[in-house]
Amino acid sequence: GENVEQHPSTLSVQEGDSAVIKCTYSDSASNYFPWYKQELGKGPQLIIDIRSNVGEKKDQRIAVTLNKTAKHFSLHITETQPEDSAVYFCAASRNSGYALNFGKGTSLLVTP
Amino acid sequence: GEEVAQTPKHLVRGEGQKAKLYCAPIKGHSYVFWYQQVLKNEFKFLISFQNENVFDETGMPKERFSAKCLPNSPCSLEIQATKLEDSAVYFCASTAGKNTEAFFGQGTRLTVV
Repeated sequence: GENVEQHPSTLSVQEGDSAVIKCTYSDSASNYFPWYKQELGKGPQLIIDIRSNVGEKKDQRIAVTLNKTAKHFSLHITETQPEDSAVYFCAASRNSGYALNFGKGTSLLVTP
Repeated sequence: GEEVAQTPKHLVRGEGQKAKLYCAPIKGHSYVFWYQQVLKNEFKFLISFQNENVFDETGMPKERFSAKCLPNSPCSLEIQATKLEDSAVYFCASTAGKNTEAFFGQGTRLTVV
């Protein structure tokens, strides 16, 4: 089955700096890669996703890159703000109708 | 509705008791997923439905766990004879189809004592 590895497990940055979270996956059939933000006591919320026919996608301060050959994808958050503090999860699946295989999460802390 | 609604928010059961969790997917969504999130943040997929039919149950424990999605009713996840290790947050998610994003509910925190 699919195995998704996520690093780092914790990340602390100063407000205004960039944050990068990296994931690798094992199943070459995976072609859908969403990123979720989970705040304490809440459900995961999709912040950005990318499909295998695209190498990069950007939405304001958030960008995701995908390298299918190397089977890795990354989340980039620029100009971080304290409200970006949360746990971020990467995931992979064959498409969005199939189960998501999650990484173990990255706890991001943005300090003022 | 416009959001995935899960009830109850919290559930406490004594070991050996039954627990039943409910999920109302977003109206018009045809796929429903159940995930278990344990203390260390790890998500474990349990089961998915396409309308009322089981789509994928590869993550479902063979014993004690069952789930249903019946027409015109919330989906449900039932755990018979709960054990301490069933303590977790159970999330439901729904999608409109195979190429759309999954929306998650706020979860049900099950505590088995």
